[in-house]
Amino acid sequence: ILNVEQSPQSLHVQEGDSTNFTCSFPSSNFYALHWYRWETAKSPEALFVMTLNGDEKKKGRISATLNTKEGYSYLYIKGSQPEDSATYLCAFNAGNNRKLIWGLGTSLAVNP
Amino acid sequence: NAGVTQTPKFQVLKTGQSMTLQCAQDMNHEYMSWYRQDPGMGLRLIHYSVGAGITDQGEVPNGYNVSRSTTEDFPLRLLSAAPSQTSVYFCASSYSRFYSSPLHFGNGTRLTVT
Repeated sequence: ILNVEQSPQSLHVQEGDSTNFTCSFPSSNFYALHWYRWETAKSPEALFVMTLNGDEKKKGRISATLNTKEGYSYLYIKGSQPEDSATYLCAFNAGNNRKLIWGLGTSLAVNP
Repeated sequence: NAGVTQTPKFQVLKTGQSMTLQCAQDMNHEYMSWYRQDPGMGLRLIHYSVGAGITDQGEVPNGYNVSRSTTEDFPLRLLSAAPSQTSVYFCASSYSRFYSSPLHFGNGTRLTVT
């Protein structure tokens, strides 16, 4: 059974803190790893799609790394702002099927 | 550029009623899909399509039908609504059928079945 685990489940930080979360996935048959940001009352918005071992992607203060051999990806937020408060989802595709397997997300709250 | 347009935003149904959730995208995306989001669970795939005329089942297809007569539209039909179908539904599309490009989500439909 393919499973995607995200940790921590929730996180509270102060404005200006840097933070990171983990997405763990099966290391066999890797094809793609997606990160999404989901604000309350909105729909998920894509941050990154990563397909190569060692990939590093960056979008403003948010960056992500990928290790397909050991089955994990990290998402980093530098200098968190209140507007970063959201749930961050990752999703994994093994390539041998047409389905994304989703984690339950890390809920981030940034206090001003 | 509207992206993915999903209607309605809210719907209340009685058990046994039928309805169609509409989804349209104007990005010429090959791949379209329907998910449901329930508390404490990850997004679950209901049905998906890799092109006009092609549909397939996801993880939780029972009670739902889909069709893809055009590239733009991918409606989801509930034939006989049940309380277990109370959920938030998202339509999502992608340029690539192979998940190497990101999903674009609609704004969601909150469905309550009484």
